[in-house]
Amino acid sequence: DTGVSQNPRHKITKRGQNVTFRCDPISEHNRLYWYRQTLGQGPEFLTYFQNEAQLEKSRLLSDRFSAERPKGSFSTLEIQRTEQGDSAMYLCASSLDILAGGMDEQFFGPGTRLTVL
Amino acid sequence: AQSVAQPEDQVNVAEGNPLTVKCTYSVSGNPYLFWYVQYPNRGLQFLLKYITGDNLVKGSYGFEAEFNKSQTSFHLKKPPALVSDSALYFCAVRDSPPSNTGKLIFGQGTTLQVKP
Repeated sequence: DTGVSQNPRHKITKRGQNVTFRCDPISEHNRLYWYRQTLGQGPEFLTYFQNEAQLEKSRLLSDRFSAERPKGSFSTLEIQRTEQGDSAMYLCASSLDILAGGMDEQFFGPGTRLTVL
Repeated sequence: AQSVAQPEDQVNVAEGNPLTVKCTYSVSGNPYLFWYVQYPNRGLQFLLKYITGDNLVKGSYGFEAEFNKSQTSFHLKKPPALVSDSALYFCAVRDSPPSNTGKLIFGQGTTLQVKP
């Protein structure tokens, strides 16, 4: 399967602990996005990478959140000192922008469901 | 600011009947509109998009959507609904310039229930 993959699929942690999620995009895609989805809501944008450069961060992304995309391939999203309000589904998506010959459609991974106790 | 609204939390339809899931949008400039579907415990799957051109857009799994500029709507349709179409549907708009990130702004979602 050459789609977007995310690990782990589920994470249960205690408040105050740090967690890290990984996203492996479709290999030739140069754009990578992180979204957060809470129950009953649509996904909300968190951050965006063009290759290895993080070009936009949402105000939703507090100082406890950090994302990286070394070498422009996989990406990690880390949450430090987790809070119960961080409980959500974290979705990763990738796309190939039009200038690179793509159609700019975003393909989503299955998500990582985080539960903070 | 860009936004989309899905006025119905849930739509119920009998199998074989046509379905419509509503979406309205508010954008500055030309709208880039999308529909995604989400099945339980799975990521979002792309159905179709409108960028420009014909107002009737055909997509995956027999779905289509009608772009109506005067009503600022982009309703999702399927002529005969199937029980397997039961899922959560999201309308989204692509962020427009000056932002060039391509990030999507989603509606709150509509649960489609197709009953046999």
